[in-house]
Amino acid sequence: DTEVTQTPKHLVMGMTNKKSLKCEQHMGHRAMYWYKQKAKKPPELMFVYSYEKLSINESVPSRFSPECPNSSLLNLHLHALQPEDSALYLCASSFTNNEQFFGPGTRLTVL
Amino acid sequence: SQQGEEDPQALSIQEGENATMNCSYKTSINNLQWYRQNSGRGLVHLILIRSNEREKHSGRLRVTLDTSKKSSSLLITASRAADTASYFCATDRMNYGGATNKLIFGTGTLLAVQP
Repeated sequence: DTEVTQTPKHLVMGMTNKKSLKCEQHMGHRAMYWYKQKAKKPPELMFVYSYEKLSINESVPSRFSPECPNSSLLNLHLHALQPEDSALYLCASSFTNNEQFFGPGTRLTVL
Repeated sequence: SQQGEEDPQALSIQEGENATMNCSYKTSINNLQWYRQNSGRGLVHLILIRSNEREKHSGRLRVTLDTSKKSSSLLITASRAADTASYFCATDRMNYGGATNKLIFGTGTLLAVQP
């Protein structure tokens, strides 16, 4: 299995909602990543997990809370988001210092 | 900003022609990678070139790397309409000091191949 899956594909939420994005891979990768991508812009790194431990937090606001329950799963918990947080959220995984495998993304709209 | 720059920002060519995209970056790197993204979808890895390599081929793709100029180019030969997508370079910084690689993406080139 050489695929990274993300659910849901689309999410619309109000500013007071709590929701979660999910990501899964079964390639044995021990590094997993969350990126945010605005329209016509490159992906921007948010968080990196290495061996299920948070190793990089790119100064992301606390309304985004990542979680890595096991080596195959990565969650991004969302709470009290702002309209400017609307974007495509991409999950990726990799072996160390190699290419990253990306999921199809979750298109998030915050009303 | 640590972000790399790509040029051109947009490129429109006819099927069968070659497409060349350029990427410049700012820091020393372990490797440079090229990714492709179809509209609104996830990124697909195309090719990785390490800092001690100068040229690499994969099918219709040719990548060059000049570490003295901190630049790379991606050549797609004999383009097809299906090559229409955004192309991003991404640099994996040297001496980041972690067990994971942190990619910094360039601004991207939007390639349109006309049938």
